Amino acid sequence: QVTLKESGPALVKPTQTLTLTCTFYGISLSTTETRANWIRQPPGKALEWLARIDWDDEIFYSTSLKTRLTISKDTSKNQVVLRMINMDPADTATYYCAHMGPKWELDYWGQGTLVTVSS
Amino acid sequence: QSALTQPPSASGSPGQSVTISCAGSSSDVGGYNLVSWYQQHPGKAPKVMIFEVSKRPSGVPDRFSGSKSGNTASLTVSGLQAEDEAAYYCSSPNTFAGTNILLFGGGTKLTVL
Repeated sequence: QVTLKESGPALVKPTQTLTLTCTFYGISLSTTETRANWIRQPPGKALEWLARIDWDDEIFYSTSLKTRLTISKDTSKNQVVLRMINMDPADTATYYCAHMGPKWELDYWGQGTLVTVSS
Repeated sequence: QSALTQPPSASGSPGQSVTISCAGSSSDVGGYNLVSWYQQHPGKAPKVMIFEVSKRPSGVPDRFSGSKSGNTASLTVSGLQAEDEAAYYCSSPNTFAGTNILLFGGGTKLTVL
């Protein structure tokens, strides 16, 4: 059974850097065809895809946020890490990690973690 | 690349059918048979209901079906039930200008009357 769990701060100040961790259970990040994604959802708004890292270390970023994002993985801990610099109140959202299947479907999701940006 | 376009709301009575559209471009919806649909209840993570335009993951009722014509994909929910009331999002890869990103629609709130 595949489960994902996000962890990180609930509150960050404007201009700070956000670091979120997603721990995968039941599937190895080094297994072929494993693709880890980050998605966010501001309160009451739509889903927004942020970034993806594949089993072979190929990385993709949202075009609008690529200058602020860094995604990486630690296969020894089976974790994926997202860093977002220069946080703004507009970045307040629930941040989800999700596994992507071979047909670009996000088939497993974490429970999400709410991050509030406020001074 | 802009988000895919969905109607903000849809509604139907129990037992009826409702169809939600998802409009994109030839760089995403029209270019690949890789549209997915997600159901999200309030306070919960999204759940994939349809992938590869029309395939259902194991456990998803066959009341949910997907299709595509040109640059527009559609999700149809037949025999509406109270538990179908949720937000629905479509997604598609987009490879415009060599990028390789995932786009979501703006979401459709489905109300069961």
